[in-house]
Amino acid sequence: AQSVTQPDIHITVSEGASLELRCNYSYGATPYLFWYVQSPGQGLQLLLKYFSGDTLVQGIKGFEAEFKRSQSSFNLRKPSVHWSDAAEYFCAVVPGGYNKLIFGAGTRLAVHP
Amino acid sequence: KAGVTQTPRYLIKTRGQQVTLSCSPISGHRSVSWYQQTPGQGLQFLFEYFSETQRNKGNFPGRFSGRQFSNSRSEMNVSTLELGDSALYLCASSGDSWSGNTIYFGEGSWLTVV
Repeated sequence: AQSVTQPDIHITVSEGASLELRCNYSYGATPYLFWYVQSPGQGLQLLLKYFSGDTLVQGIKGFEAEFKRSQSSFNLRKPSVHWSDAAEYFCAVVPGGYNKLIFGAGTRLAVHP
Repeated sequence: KAGVTQTPRYLIKTRGQQVTLSCSPISGHRSVSWYQQTPGQGLQFLFEYFSETQRNKGNFPGRFSGRQFSNSRSEMNVSTLELGDSALYLCASSGDSWSGNTIYFGEGSWLTVV
């Protein structure tokens, strides 16, 4: 069955530090991949997506992610974290077919001043 | 362009009651899907509708149902509410019939069952 693993439940970084959130998926072919962010009490906001083509994708708020087929990974990165980036981040895949997202458990990011 | 709109945002129901949640997708979007978010189970897919037809369903009991209208607006219904149904219910819309399109989410409906 398709699945998404986000190994880190909580991550704390200092403001201005770099960030990498890990995401691994289990699927036979190349899925469609997404990163969403959720602030407390809010819905999900799309950060970026990968469908095909260039494996390094740029998103909003200075985020980027790199698709690595050999590692079945789609890690999210940001070179310099801002206090407003504190939120929960979800990696998700659409294995193919209809618009059904399979989400990872999420990574909660805390930012220290 | 207006985003995905969900109503009501917050509601409290009593065990055994039923609830109906509404979702208006982004204009022009024909695919609407629903998700349940709880601290214990995370984000789980409930079902997806496209052009008034349910195309996919998650592993939820029959108490959870939905429908889509000709204008693409969707409703989901939960009957005989249980305490465990307390959750954030998220609606998402997407533009086309294949999964390569971006999926946009609403702000959610917070359901508390007491």
